[in-house]
Amino acid sequence: DTEVTQTPKHLVMGMTNKKSLKCEQHMGHRAMYWYKQKAKKPPELMFVYSYEKLSINESVPSRFSPECPNSSLLNLHLHALQPEDSALYLCASSQAVLGMGQETQYFGPGTRLLVL
Amino acid sequence: GQNIDQPTEMTATEGAIVQINCTYQTSGFNGLFWYQQHAGEAPTFLSYNVLDGLEEKGRFSSFLSRSKGYSYLLLKELQMKDSASYLCAVSGALRSNDYKLSFGAGTTVTVRA
Repeated sequence: DTEVTQTPKHLVMGMTNKKSLKCEQHMGHRAMYWYKQKAKKPPELMFVYSYEKLSINESVPSRFSPECPNSSLLNLHLHALQPEDSALYLCASSQAVLGMGQETQYFGPGTRLLVL
Repeated sequence: GQNIDQPTEMTATEGAIVQINCTYQTSGFNGLFWYQQHAGEAPTFLSYNVLDGLEEKGRFSSFLSRSKGYSYLLLKELQMKDSASYLCAVSGALRSNDYKLSFGAGTTVTVRA
């Protein structure tokens, strides 16, 4: 089973709203990721969690706030977003091991976010 | 830094073969990945190479030359459903706890009847 689930599938929010994106995996992976993807562009890494601790923040604005409540769940809290934040937000997970392909990332279906 | 290059677009006919090239310059190298992404969907893992040579998986094969910083993905017997974006990604970590993948911009393959 290589399934990563994400909710919601679609989200429309105003610039003053607060919302959260959720991601879940049950593969026993200890590394989890948030990506942002614009149309016709590759995924752009935002955050990496390793063993439930934030290990990489790619200089993401503070209006995006990640949270890893346990080894299976990853949240992305959104507040005061801008229209240019509209994108597909992808969650991924992998083993927290380098080498021999163990760091292969498996992606969830994504949340399509529209900020008005 | 990481630099990964692949062509922007390729078009081929159903039943034909297409080869998508990827060149990379990365600070470290732990392996190269190919992902397929259909429009509006998530990337799905296709292949992984860490040693030089060809890895075959059904209609898809991936090749790696580490000395040349070069890989290709070969799609044989093309089907309409193969129309998608193909992403080359490199694990270039220098630290043991850095699992980042660096992605190329993706190659959009269009299969025509």
